[in-house]
Amino acid sequence: DTAVSQTPKYLVTQMGNDKSIKCEQNLGHDTMYWYKQDSKKFLKIMFSYNNKELIINETVPNRFSPKSPDKAHLNLHINSLELGDSAVYFCASKTHDGETQYFGPGTRLLVL
Amino acid sequence: GQNIDQPTEMTATEGAIVQINCTYQTSGFNGLFWYQQHAGEAPTFLSYNVLDGLEEKGRFSSFLSRSKGYSYLLLKELQMKDSASYLCAVRPDTGFQKLVFGTGTRLLVSP
Repeated sequence: DTAVSQTPKYLVTQMGNDKSIKCEQNLGHDTMYWYKQDSKKFLKIMFSYNNKELIINETVPNRFSPKSPDKAHLNLHINSLELGDSAVYFCASKTHDGETQYFGPGTRLLVL
Repeated sequence: GQNIDQPTEMTATEGAIVQINCTYQTSGFNGLFWYQQHAGEAPTFLSYNVLDGLEEKGRFSSFLSRSKGYSYLLLKELQMKDSASYLCAVRPDTGFQKLVFGTGTRLLVSP
């Protein structure tokens, strides 16, 4: 009965590699988000999609490319990983007119 | 620009009351949210204010003053499980519905 799920939960990789994180929600929501939480626990929005359409791109490097194959899924592909990409990445979703965003469990990315 | 300030850390005793303040300066305002985040877990929604005043929900209450750019989260009858980070977030506009988060307040409840 998981609402927002992410895979993988942990990801350890080398600098320069390319990796993907997946997010799925079974809440029937229209809008999905990617957030990055750094080592100081600061949570910052990266992208938002509404019905598979990109609506927010917060000046994230173009090494990060989100993809939404359908409104229940929002994936994040990262090219040429850098040390500074180490963080926890949270997916979230909500209805288009709802107030509350529901967060996934997070993906802990460590770039060595 | 967007600026949201919270104290970094607070401590309190089990059974006590604690107030966590949040001040904000944002390009627009369409609601303020409080989220709770336990260590290693996802943020979970606690409260939402869009009009001035106090919203009460069990042991937790949240207050908003839009003219002062100020909110607080009040936690009563503190329990050990309330030890967590509390994130204040502002929704700056009606359009894209993004949230801008503060840096969070880490609350430690001791016996």
